[in-house]
Amino acid sequence: AQKITQTQPGMFVQEKEAVTLDCTYDTSDPSYGLFWYKQPSSGEMIFLIYQGSYDQQNATEGRYSLNFQKARKSANLVISASQLGDSAMYFCAMREGLMIKAAGNKLTFGGGTRVLVKP
Amino acid sequence: DTEVTQTPKHLVMGMTNKKSLKCEQHMGHRAMYWYKQKAKKPPELMFVYSYEKLSINESVPSRFSPECPNSSLLNLHLHALQPEDSALYLCASSQGRTSGRAVADTQYFGPGTRLTVL
Repeated sequence: AQKITQTQPGMFVQEKEAVTLDCTYDTSDPSYGLFWYKQPSSGEMIFLIYQGSYDQQNATEGRYSLNFQKARKSANLVISASQLGDSAMYFCAMREGLMIKAAGNKLTFGGGTRVLVKP
Repeated sequence: DTEVTQTPKHLVMGMTNKKSLKCEQHMGHRAMYWYKQKAKKPPELMFVYSYEKLSINESVPSRFSPECPNSSLLNLHLHALQPEDSALYLCASSQGRTSGRAVADTQYFGPGTRLTVL
């Protein structure tokens, strides 16, 4: 079974509007971390935001916020006031606590969502 | 400073060549990673070094040989590659936490090396 699912392969967003990127995850581990990365066409993976399973509040970093719904196992990324430079592939990823003890620091990635910001 | 550097940016090699990819970080991180990424796919983990020791090898073919000379450097030696090995190779590093808030151990990536095998 897929551990991380990103159901939107691609989407368009108008400049200055907000966009929500979906991410659902599957784990039975009570301790886990969720990450979002941005990958422009240049290739570099840029860390955007982190949410821990025990964090009480939704994470925010500038124009990025994470809508964390633990019971629904979703961790959607919200980008406010989209800019042309936000055009990129976005990956959701998860690290599970028990996995660290068993096998080390592994991130599981979703399939990604490509965002294109229109002027 | 969250910079991870990788050289070269681009590499074209024949199937009989031997080449190396290099990765460097000066953030004091103790875990370093090699990923392979094909077009329109997520990165696939290849190797993890933790405190300069190989901790994870994701059943990578022996034509890929990692090396961690010190805590700041990570190399990937390439020999007798196949055309299907053409991909973007990404290096990453993290603090290397394995307890406490280990799930928050954020990986920072370099810009990658685009490898083409002819």
